[in-house]
Amino acid sequence: RKEVEQDPGPFNVPEGATVAFNCTYSNSASQSFFWYRQDCRKEPKLLMSVYSSGNEDGRFTAQLNRASQYISLLIRDSKLSDSATYLCVVNGGYEYNNNDMRFGAGTRLTVKP
Amino acid sequence: DTGVSQNPRHKITKRGQNVTFRCDPISEHNRLYWYRQTLGQGPEFLTYFQNEAQLEKSRLLSDRFSAERPKGSFSTLEIQRTEQGDSAMYLCASSPNTGQVPWTNEKLFFGSGTQLSVL
Repeated sequence: RKEVEQDPGPFNVPEGATVAFNCTYSNSASQSFFWYRQDCRKEPKLLMSVYSSGNEDGRFTAQLNRASQYISLLIRDSKLSDSATYLCVVNGGYEYNNNDMRFGAGTRLTVKP
Repeated sequence: DTGVSQNPRHKITKRGQNVTFRCDPISEHNRLYWYRQTLGQGPEFLTYFQNEAQLEKSRLLSDRFSAERPKGSFSTLEIQRTEQGDSAMYLCASSPNTGQVPWTNEKLFFGSGTQLSVL
């Protein structure tokens, strides 16, 4: 089983649609969770952190379910500029020396006019 | 520009040659990561440093790969006896993470990467 798994998509949605991405992780000791965005031929950039209580940043909402080892990202009112690959990122766990950051394969989103 | 800098941007080499890439992180960042990314995949973890100490190296990484961060500032990634399967984008990222709980400063800041093509 991969450490971080995502639905690869692609997701093709019209402008204004709501779209949700899912991510599962295998290491129950993981403590930190993030969503990154990567545009074509560009480096990944942090979109948002994911907190236990869930968090929202404008049109973006992230949720964490520790029991199911599951993370989600919801995008409301999709814009053309949201077209990108969304990467789920999970850290290695408690230990100081095991705090690496593992990426999922990414979910590709295309928002169409 | 105070972002993460990687050099070169592109490297074309023949199979069997050695290559070295350089990464200059954001100056006050303690952690430095190396990733490899191929088309359609997410970044694959290679190794990371806390200051000059190499804390973890992916078990998937062969002995042909080595990384250093001698003074806790810039880092180099060397690939010896390159193979065609090494062709990928090599990404460097830095983080202000000091290793303290909670890991509130784990945000990664990526460079633009070095695209390696092995012929």
